[in-house]
Amino acid sequence: QQPVQSPQAVILREGEDAVINCSSSKALYSVHWYRQKHGEAPVFLMILLKGGEQKGHEKISASFNEKKQQSSLYLTASQLSYSGTYFCGTLGGSNYKLTFGKGTLLTVNP
Amino acid sequence: EAQVTQNPRYLITVTGKKLTVTCSQNMNHEYMSWYRQDPGLGLRQIYYSMNVEVTDKGDVPEGYKVSRKEKRNFPLILESPSPNQTSLYFCASSRGTGGSYNEQFFGPGTRLTVL
Repeated sequence: QQPVQSPQAVILREGEDAVINCSSSKALYSVHWYRQKHGEAPVFLMILLKGGEQKGHEKISASFNEKKQQSSLYLTASQLSYSGTYFCGTLGGSNYKLTFGKGTLLTVNP
Repeated sequence: EAQVTQNPRYLITVTGKKLTVTCSQNMNHEYMSWYRQDPGLGLRQIYYSMNVEVTDKGDVPEGYKVSRKEKRNFPLILESPSPNQTSLYFCASSRGTGGSYNEQFFGPGTRLTVL
């Protein structure tokens, strides 16, 4: 079952902040975040693990609430280069199926 | 250069004509996976492989086959393609078993059109 992302789309001006949410109906071991620019392949941003460990980029932060099975990606002081579609992927259970959400389209304007 | 390559990048074919999309990685990764991407549906996993000769179904495996005879290669086979398999396909790989805790590196994508 795909995790649910919100919002579906967001438009910002350069310098503004954004939060993208990801929620799942099942218990999670980890949450993965990727960004995809138009016409390109997805690129890794961050992994959040059960227990609080994070692996990823310094300029982007995220949280993982294991009890609520939710994660949020925080984009602060947005730049034009932040534009793209953001996907969260969730991993739960004993298999290795990484299930992605439908994506959040972020547009940063000058 | 560390990378995941896919071939072909673009393919137009007809219903029922068997085809193979190749995927190769040069990073000695154990885990490889295939996804399809359709507008409004995000990335959906087709099959994944945790190592040589170990494969398992993802969320949308119907109509696809895979094999993992070598660590670096993970081809996607469509034995009898149908128009509903028209999509953008991505191959990805990561180190470790299952890629649970490691970033996935994606190939450039293969745009498939089945007429």
